[in-house]
Order: sequence, then structure tokens, then C-alpha cells
Amino acid sequence: QKEVEQNSGPLSVPEGAIASLNCTYSDRGSQSFFWYRQYSGKSPELIMFIYSNGDKEDGRFTAQLNKASQYVSLLIRDSQPSDSATYLCAVNHLRSTNAGKSTFGDGTTLTVKP
Amino acid sequence: NAGVTQTPKFQVLKTGQSMTLQCAQDMNHNSMYWYRQDPGMGLRLIYYSASEGTTDKGEVPNGYNVSRLNKREFSLRLESAAPSQTSVYFCASSELGGEYNEQFFGPGTRLTVL
Repeated sequence: QKEVEQNSGPLSVPEGAIASLNCTYSDRGSQSFFWYRQYSGKSPELIMFIYSNGDKEDGRFTAQLNKASQYVSLLIRDSQPSDSATYLCAVNHLRSTNAGKSTFGDGTTLTVKP
Repeated sequence: NAGVTQTPKFQVLKTGQSMTLQCAQDMNHNSMYWYRQDPGMGLRLIYYSASEGTTDKGEVPNGYNVSRLNKREFSLRLESAAPSQTSVYFCASSELGGEYNEQFFGPGTRLTVL
């Protein structure tokens, strides 16, 4: 089992719809969770982070975390063609031997069709 | 501020050749990382440096060496390149502290080993 798993893509949604991206992790010691967006041929950029159970909203983006289920998700409301990218889930460990390191999922590619 | 810079942007090597990938950050971050990204996959950690003067192996360190030259610079060396090392290499940096570990990425180096 991979340490961080993302729902297999590609994911295609029409413009204006809600895109739902999911991620599960295996290490219960994980404490911080990140969503990075990566456009084709570019480097990843952080769009959201979350560390408490529940929802965190930032504009059209909502991150959801459920530590009991070891599940984190990203919702994109009113999806735009400019949201078309690969979304990487990353999990951060804060135990001493792994301090500061993030483990990344393989990513989910989202396409928003006009 | 330039953020995280990497040189070169592109490189083609023959099997057995050596090269050094350079990375520098101007955000006064303590931690720096080297990742590789293969097509359709997420980021895999090669080496990281939690602070100046320290380095540690990541998930895929074989065939690589690193040097944390000072707080700003972290280089990755391939002593004898192999076709399996064809990949995109990303350098990243972060400020360790509290629970967060947002990483800032450089533009990447696209390496082909023939």
C-alpha cells in the first residue's frame, strides 16, 4: 500500500461544476496536509494546507480533513478551464526521524471542459 | 526575490557522465529538498537537508550525492549517470517551524540520459 494514495484520474468536469479530488494516507502520525497544483511542464505550487479536522475554505477551494478516516479532499467550486492541472496531495510528518519531510501522492489530473 | 532557482534548465548526458545540478534559495529557509518526478507520477524525495550542515537520504537516494554548501545552496550530483535517471528534478525549500512545512519549488531541471 502506498503511503499517500489519490483517486486515479484523469478527472473531467464541465465548466462551472464542482471538482472533487480525494486522498488517503496510511501514517496516523501525519499532521499536516497540503494540496499542490502543477500545470503541465511547470513546478508544483501550494494552493491549500490543512491540519485540523473539518473544512477549510479559500475562495473557490475547500480542503476537508478527517483524521479518523485518514482522508483529505479538495473541492473546487465553479470550476474554470484555468483549473485544468495535476493536483498533488502531500502529507507532512513531524516525528523526529521524519521531521519536515512531505510524502506526495501520484497526483490526479483534472480537465475542466468549456 | 527570485525564490528558488535551479540550473541548468535542460541537460542531456551520455551514460556514465557526471554532472551537478545547482539550487539556490533567497528566502532564508532552513530546509531544502531534491525530488525527481517521472512521467505520470508524483514527487519522490531523493535527499533533503533539514538545516545547514546536515543532509539525509530520502526515498530514492541511490546514484546521487548532495552537498549543502551554505544556507542558500543545495546541490545534487550524479557521479555516473544512467538512463534510469532520466527525469525532471525539482529543488524545494521550506521554513521548518510549528506544524507547517509549505514547500516552495524551483522551475525544475529536465535531464535526459542516453
